[in-house]
Formats: sequence, C-alpha cells, structure tokens
Amino acid sequence: QQQVKQSPQSLIVQKGGIPIINCAYENTAFDYFPWYQQFPGKGPALLIAIRPDVSEKKEGRFTISFNKSAKQFSLHIMDSQPGDSATYFCAARNAGKSTFGDGTTLTVKP
Amino acid sequence: ETGVTQSPTHLIKTRGQQVTLRCSSQSGHNTVSWYQQALGQGPQFIFQYYREEENGRGNFPPRFSGLQFPNYSSELNVNALELDDSALYLCASSFSGANVLTFGAGSRLTVL
Repeated sequence: QQQVKQSPQSLIVQKGGIPIINCAYENTAFDYFPWYQQFPGKGPALLIAIRPDVSEKKEGRFTISFNKSAKQFSLHIMDSQPGDSATYFCAARNAGKSTFGDGTTLTVKP
Repeated sequence: ETGVTQSPTHLIKTRGQQVTLRCSSQSGHNTVSWYQQALGQGPQFIFQYYREEENGRGNFPPRFSGLQFPNYSSELNVNALELDDSALYLCASSFSGANVLTFGAGSRLTVL
C-alpha cells in the first residue's frame, strides 16, 4: 500500500530548464514533507522540506509548492544544471517514520 | 562532525543465511532508523531505535531485527535470507524529535 505517489518516474530537461516533480499523499497525519537527492552509490541527502501550514518554501534554486487541500506537493528546480542530474525522492513523515515515493530520475542535458 | 558510516558496503549471501549490517550514527544523534531500498524504488522504513529500544516498526517480518548500543551505533540483523531481501540497506540517524534524517551510503546486499 503506497501512501506517497511520485511522478514522473524519469525526466529529461535541457540546462536552464525548470523540472517539476510531483507527489501526492493520502495520510492526513503526515506533518513534515522533505525532498531528498540521491546520487549513484550514495545515500539520500536532504534537499529541502516543508510543513503543511506553509504553501511554498524556497531555498536557492529549489522550491517546494504545497497544496494541503489537494494533498499534493511538488519540487521545482530553477535554472537546472547538469550537476543536478540525480534521483529525487519526496517523502512524508509522521511519528518518526518517513514514507518515501518511488523516486524520479532527473537528467539535465548540457 | 562525522557523518553516518555503514559497513560492509557490499556483500553476497545465499538463501537461508543470516546477515548483520552495522551503522555508526552521526555525532550528536541518538536515534537510528533503518530503511530497505529495492532497485528502482524509494526507501522503505524497517524500524527505528532510540535509547537502545525499538520504538517504531514498518511492515517487515520478525526475521528483521536490530540493536542499538550505548554509543548510539546500531546493527540490522536479517535471518533466513530470501532472494527478495536483495536491496540497499540504508541507515539514518537523527536527534530525537527532529525530522531531519542523515543517511549513510548504504550496504548493498545480494542474496543468491
């Protein structure tokens, strides 16, 4: 039973493009929504996170948009660079447990 | 400040065998959680340890067990290995009550 659904599975953009990754959740008890970036051979690393009482959060080139009523949130990467090529995971957290989406493999072409 | 370190990085086992994976938490972190990441999927929560006791468990059978030691390091033990146990096992540490997880690079287990 997947509680966090992530799309698309893969994404290819040109350098400077704005990839958007979407996630939807079911459990309204989730109270923290992080995004992780994972490079091959490495563990996931926290990129940016948001709480459900905020509709948008921006850190550098990364922005989370959050729609509580729709139970959806998304990651936008502004001015994407080849170094942003990685797998991105959304997650939702409650009571010390994180539930992850299945990931989006992003390729940024130079 | 040291990060989360896991060992071994890779290992191969056969069905029915047992495996122990080890994790040293980040300095200052007292909570350790373990995740299983199958190929092409997101990490799945196995369990969490705080103050040397399990205080949260995902949908994994009892043959998955763990320990946390007084220095906050941890072990994941898997008995009676099955082919489907082949995955990357990730350890994450955090400070109790905090939402931010710091992950290690993982232990890649292959079961033949």
